[in-house]
Amino acid sequence: IVLTQSPGTLSVFPGERVTLSCRASRNADVNLAWYQQKPGHVPRLLIYGVSNRASGIPARFSGSGLGTEFTLTISSLQPEDLALYFCQQYHDWPHTFGQGTKLEI
Amino acid sequence: QVQLVQSGAEVKKPGASVKVSCKASADSFAGNFLLWVRQAPGQGLEWMGIINPRDGTTRYSQNFQGRVTMTRDTSTTTVFMEMARLTSDDTGVYYCARPHREGVTAPLDYWGQGTLVTVSS
Repeated sequence: IVLTQSPGTLSVFPGERVTLSCRASRNADVNLAWYQQKPGHVPRLLIYGVSNRASGIPARFSGSGLGTEFTLTISSLQPEDLALYFCQQYHDWPHTFGQGTKLEI
Repeated sequence: QVQLVQSGAEVKKPGASVKVSCKASADSFAGNFLLWVRQAPGQGLEWMGIINPRDGTTRYSQNFQGRVTMTRDTSTTTVFMEMARLTSDDTGVYYCARPHREGVTAPLDYWGQGTLVTVSS
């Protein structure tokens, strides 16, 4: 399953509502996760099962979607949210990642 | 506290092999799948393969089939990723990672610190 994320880069302001898209080439059901990676850091799990926040993830992060269209929403962007965001499907082998969306000021 | 501690950076010549280790905390070692993910410089994440520490069974991405071998040592709760016939395209950071729940293959809750592999003549 090929995952295509859009946009590639998103210029944003703190306080904005941000929506990131992840499109699957075929059905991924609800087996989709989102990760955040800050520069020089290890990826961190944000969302799993499309809409479940991982432990310790703030409520401003939410996920939605089903099948082939998925969305990560940040309700009010904080400066510390500037990072790379990846989606991953684990519905079929191999468990592919999207190419990422970069949030920048 | 789940910990995944990887071996240090490597510099290799084209055509050589590299073996990266990932020592997992002993609790639940046998019950949790371990995976390897590659990140080329300035690029995204690439799923390489997975090993079941309980019985050593593996599954690899077709992109790495025939070049990558994943093994484990249960006595030291360590998994290994060996890649042969390296080229400059293999330069990147290699991560081991695992889910929180036993018996599942994703999502990836825990990550090692990454191992930089540089392939250069």
